[in-house]
Amino acid sequence: DTAVSQTPKYLVTQMGNDKSIKCEQNLGHDTMYWYKQDSKKFLKIMFSYNNKELIINETVPNRFSPKSPDKAHLNLHINSLELGDSAVYFCASSGSAEQFFGPGTRLTVL
Amino acid sequence: GENVEQHPSTLSVQEGDSAVIKCTYSDSASNYFPWYKQELGKRPQLIIDIRSNVGEKKDQRIAVTLNKTAKHFSLHITETQPEDSAVYFCAVSIGSNYKLTFGKGTLLTVNP
Repeated sequence: DTAVSQTPKYLVTQMGNDKSIKCEQNLGHDTMYWYKQDSKKFLKIMFSYNNKELIINETVPNRFSPKSPDKAHLNLHINSLELGDSAVYFCASSGSAEQFFGPGTRLTVL
Repeated sequence: GENVEQHPSTLSVQEGDSAVIKCTYSDSASNYFPWYKQELGKRPQLIIDIRSNVGEKKDQRIAVTLNKTAKHFSLHITETQPEDSAVYFCAVSIGSNYKLTFGKGTLLTVNP
């Protein structure tokens, strides 16, 4: 009964490949987010959706494309992966101020 | 955009001592100030938060204070325990979309 879940937990891939990370929340929240945490542990917002509508789109390369098929799901697709994309990607959701984070997906680009 | 500075980057204390982590922010319109704890290999979890209309909030051994005039807020942990060892992040948001800008984190180590 995990509140915010992500798949996969680990993702190892070659440069140039395309990959997707999936996120689901069962909290009934309207808003979902994607964050990137780099090797120095810095957490930075990438995108946010509210009721399937994109509301936050930070300065992120257009190789990254979020998709929200419904308000319980927010997926992240990454094209043409680069070495610098290696990081932990966290999904989060919120119904008000508090954000609940998923367990993270550790992406390693070789 | 919003800029959040967090200090110190590392903090080592003896069990039972107090720990204080400070953050400053740049945008005076900021109105929500949460603190997250992230244990090694785990997800960030909210431990306490404060809104701009409140100066201080306590929850057992943790407290947060906010000085809106000076644009800084602090996390206070009393009677520290080894399980308090983690990375602590402050964050700031403006308005109702709850876009969080995080500080760079403080690695707290509590030595038994």
